[in-house]
Amino acid sequence: AQKITQTQPGMFVQEKEAVTLDCTYDTSDQSYGLFWYKQPSSGEMIFLIYQGSYDEQNATEGRYSLNFQKARKSANLVISASQLGDSAMYFCAMSATGANNLFFGTGTRLTVIP
Amino acid sequence: NAGVTQTPKFQVLKTGQSMTLQCAQDMNHNSMYWYRQDPGMGLRLIYYSASEGTTDKGEVPNGYNVSRLNKREFSLRLESAAPSQTSVYFCASSVYRGGMNTEAFFGQGTRLTVV
Repeated sequence: AQKITQTQPGMFVQEKEAVTLDCTYDTSDQSYGLFWYKQPSSGEMIFLIYQGSYDEQNATEGRYSLNFQKARKSANLVISASQLGDSAMYFCAMSATGANNLFFGTGTRLTVIP
Repeated sequence: NAGVTQTPKFQVLKTGQSMTLQCAQDMNHNSMYWYRQDPGMGLRLIYYSASEGTTDKGEVPNGYNVSRLNKREFSLRLESAAPSQTSVYFCASSVYRGGMNTEAFFGQGTRLTVV
């Protein structure tokens, strides 16, 4: 079975600073994918970034990067140069070979302070 | 560029009423999902469909039925709504690649209240 754990219910960051949102996962599969989604107060789920378990380099998408540490089973999201519009809920998720589901963590609420 | 479209956006039902949530995607994805989101619990899978005509139960299927009539559309039906089904419902779709589902794209969500 797959499991995603996000231990930070809420985080605060100063505008223009970087912030790391933690995500650990558990799976017995060798092939899996890790994702991060953003959910602003308007409610939609926005895909941010993807990391495959066999990808050797950490994924990056603009100001988002995924710090993938396979041995530690962690997939932390790093947001650089935080903006007020980054204030939202952030969800970590994973998929695995043969699994019919995307497994989601419980989310971290990020608040960017001006 | 519609992506995933689900309707309605808001709905209030009385206990015992029925309704169908509609979802359509135009990205030619094979996999489609219905999730519910409750405070503090993240997203939980209700049903999954790997392709037209196939559906599988997820984590919380009780009280729901689904239908995947074609590749584009995946509907969720509540036959007899209960207050415990008050939630935000999301439809999503994804590409199945390399033996697993890849990043999912979500509809706007349906906020359902059962009174």
